[in-house]
Amino acid sequence: QQQVKQSPQSLIVQKGGISIINCAYENTAFDYFPWYQQFPGKGPALLIAIRPDVSEKKEGRFTISFNKSAKQFSLHIMDSQPGDSATYFCAASMSPTSGTYKYIFGTGTRLKVLA
Amino acid sequence: NAGVMQNPRHLVRRRGQEARLRCSPMKGHSHVYWYRQLPEEGLKFMVYLQKENIIDESGMPKERFSAEFPKEGPSILRIQQVVRGDSAAYFCASSPQGQEAFFGQGTRLTVV
Repeated sequence: QQQVKQSPQSLIVQKGGISIINCAYENTAFDYFPWYQQFPGKGPALLIAIRPDVSEKKEGRFTISFNKSAKQFSLHIMDSQPGDSATYFCAASMSPTSGTYKYIFGTGTRLKVLA
Repeated sequence: NAGVMQNPRHLVRRRGQEARLRCSPMKGHSHVYWYRQLPEEGLKFMVYLQKENIIDESGMPKERFSAEFPKEGPSILRIQQVVRGDSAAYFCASSPQGQEAFFGQGTRLTVV
């Protein structure tokens, strides 16, 4: 119930293409879903986040699509660039009815954008 | 506004020694989280602290690991009597209200 399943594990996209990464969850108490980008040797950087009352959120080339009934959310990277090559993590957290905002992370997707 | 500061960035310890990892949250942030990342894996929650209080330590191993966030100074993650399996990247994150978290660059611990 606490898991967040992320797919695919790795993804290769041509420059200018669309990268799509998917996540699914079980626990309906989750109410905050961020995406993080991590380069080798660096910490995760917050890209974009969404709450369940919104079906889509866009920031620049990054869009989160959220399907509450299916308990799924996805990250779309439009016009993918070589500089987007990194590992992407989805996460979920819930309001602290249990006293914590801890994140449950997906297992990560290693994206490579070919020049 | 400086980001989350972690030090040291790299730490090498021999088996049986103590490792002490420091985290200074972003200015104005009173919530601190510690996560561990094993090679080629995702991040696993360890502990959540607010000033002087441990809120959730459900991800902390029962032995050898402890964390604190004193009224003054950085948050400290302490690992006593380190073993090879403790080798990992340890990330600290801070948050102003609790849910939106900003991560530091991590401390990469190597146990030899």
